[in-house]
Amino acid sequence: DIQMTQSPSSLSASVGDRVTITCRASQGIRNDLGWYQQKPGKAPKRLIYAASSLHSGVPSRFSGSGSGTEFTLTISSLQPEDFATYYCLQHNTYPWTFGQGTKVEIK
Amino acid sequence: EVHLVESGGGLVQPGGSLRLSCSASGFTFSTYSMHWVRQAPGKGLEYVSAISYNGGDTHYADSVKGRFTISRDNSKNTLYLQISSLSAEDTAVYYCVKEESGRSPSGLIYYFDYWGQGTLVTVSS
Repeated sequence: DIQMTQSPSSLSASVGDRVTITCRASQGIRNDLGWYQQKPGKAPKRLIYAASSLHSGVPSRFSGSGSGTEFTLTISSLQPEDFATYYCLQHNTYPWTFGQGTKVEIK
Repeated sequence: EVHLVESGGGLVQPGGSLRLSCSASGFTFSTYSMHWVRQAPGKGLEYVSAISYNGGDTHYADSVKGRFTISRDNSKNTLYLQISSLSAEDTAVYYCVKEESGRSPSGLIYYFDYWGQGTLVTVSS
């Protein structure tokens, strides 16, 4: 199975900060990766598909990049509603696999 | 409007079995692949299983292979997950998830667009 190593596992940041989260795949997955946001008690919400394409309705402060084995999710200016846990998901090979998650907390 | 409603969770003893169901509405169920994802209390998301639109292809995480069986009844717009030989490590909220797919300039794309509210499975004596 493809392992997705996500880092950091948590971070503290302030409103307005730039935040970067990384996912590394154990083998090349082209750009077959998405990013999801989950708030407590809620189902995850889609943010990014194909590593760098923003889903409709997602604020432009979110962006994704990468290909192959290394990927990043960047929030350019953290907003209060962005405090949540973020997950990457690879869909290159079954079984699909999630990263371990990054919890973004208020500093 | 798309709705995915899971049911069938509950308290089960170690070694026991349950069948989870997911009732789908608001889209043409028979034309979409579907997935199960679970989340243990306070933990991250774990991919569980997938089934193609017609049930012809199924996939499982190593952690559940041989113990879980995914299936669907397109005439009833319902997805199932039979879970057996349960242990405490299987305690989790189980989500039913709809897959969306399409084409981009770089090739095929896939993502999860709709999730159910989840059904809690607790394995305990």
